[in-house]
Amino acid sequence: KQEVTQIPAALSVPEGENLVLNCSFTDSAIYNLQWFRQDPGKGLTSLLLIQSSQREQTSGRLNASLDKSSGRSTLYIAASQPGDSATYLCAVHEAAGNKLTFGGGTRVLVKP
Amino acid sequence: GAVVSQHPSRVICKSGTSVKIECRSLDFQATTMFWYRQFPKQSLMLMATSNEGSKATYEQGVEKDKFLINHASLTLSTLTVTSAHPEDSSFYICSAQTSTKADTQYFGPGTRLTVL
Repeated sequence: KQEVTQIPAALSVPEGENLVLNCSFTDSAIYNLQWFRQDPGKGLTSLLLIQSSQREQTSGRLNASLDKSSGRSTLYIAASQPGDSATYLCAVHEAAGNKLTFGGGTRVLVKP
Repeated sequence: GAVVSQHPSRVICKSGTSVKIECRSLDFQATTMFWYRQFPKQSLMLMATSNEGSKATYEQGVEKDKFLINHASLTLSTLTVTSAHPEDSSFYICSAQTSTKADTQYFGPGTRLTVL
């Protein structure tokens, strides 16, 4: 059974600092891995999707890496801003059409 | 494109009543829809997977007679919480997937259910 873990569970940084969020998964036979952002009481916003054959994806200040063999993904957010404060969730997709398994999330607070 | 809506966004009901939540794919045909539940400060847990025109597949520990799922069309799935109790209070999120892009789920905005 796939298990997804995110460390740390919570993170507080001053504005301008880079953020590093970690995600690990137990079964490396994944189809893809996705990072989401969730604001309090809201749904999910997809940030980046990395296919199993890819090593990283970039979008603006966000960069996500994937090391499938070691079961790890890292989300980097450069030059953090207060608007980046949210919960970040990673989820692995085990095969096309199958379910997403989510990690517990990392709650990020960027202090102005 | 790929917009998923949920209705209602919030609902408060009395214990013992039933509540229906709708999930719609607005601009694509969703061959598969997923229902998730999220308790405060916890992650999303998959409740069930539904394919259009067939019975939903429930995850272990989810009571199918309590959480009724119907996926009668390619754009609509409904989740009915029957005989709701306070412990059913949660954030319910649906996602939708199309057969032509099976590696991506598009998420709805969620429904906050409060059972008094």
